[in-house]
Amino acid sequence: EAQVTQNPRYLITVTGKKLTVTCSQNMNHEYMSWYRQDPGLGLRQIYYSMNVEVTDKGDVPEGYKVSRKEKRNFPLILESPSPNQTSLYFCASSYTVAGGYTFGSGTRLTVV
Amino acid sequence: ILNVEQSPQSLHVQEGDSTNFTCSFPSSNFYALHWYRWETAKSPEALFVMTLNGDEKKKGRISATLNTKEGYSYLYIKGSQPEDSATYLCASILPAAGTASKLTFGTGTRLQVTL
Repeated sequence: EAQVTQNPRYLITVTGKKLTVTCSQNMNHEYMSWYRQDPGLGLRQIYYSMNVEVTDKGDVPEGYKVSRKEKRNFPLILESPSPNQTSLYFCASSYTVAGGYTFGSGTRLTVV
Repeated sequence: ILNVEQSPQSLHVQEGDSTNFTCSFPSSNFYALHWYRWETAKSPEALFVMTLNGDEKKKGRISATLNTKEGYSYLYIKGSQPEDSATYLCASILPAAGTASKLTFGTGTRLQVTL
């Protein structure tokens, strides 16, 4: 089944403890993005990648890192999480930049 | 328009009603307009991707139109059903983005259909 797999689905962590949210797609998509969803603000892009080893900042990249060492994987790294990073995170991928995105199931992160 | 804006913010209709929502986006340097359907506790699902001015797309009872010259798109739902209850998102690429990869989403129209 064609899908984008995110893990974990839920995570509660403490301020400053490094964490990684994994994202993997099995559709050979070139474009991958990370978004965060906050009430009243809509989906905001954190980072995106156009291909292996090609990544760039979205609208809200502060406090996040990404890597794209393989085409299928695009992990989101929070080196030192803070409470303002408490949010619902989505990974998404697309075959072309004009194509519709396939979203992962989301990761609800709480930083205390 | 400098951003992607959707209206109304929420809508409450009865089963059988037809309804429509608006997405406004910057008309300069237009690249593509996306519509997504997002049910509660699920992930957004792509409905339509539209690229040509005057384009019309249809999927069952849902259809969309696109006007790139004036920067708007309409999403129509004919004969709304309770299962149509969801948040409908549109997304486009802002001229200031500098790249076609930065898809910007509106805040969505939340539709509730009751019996």
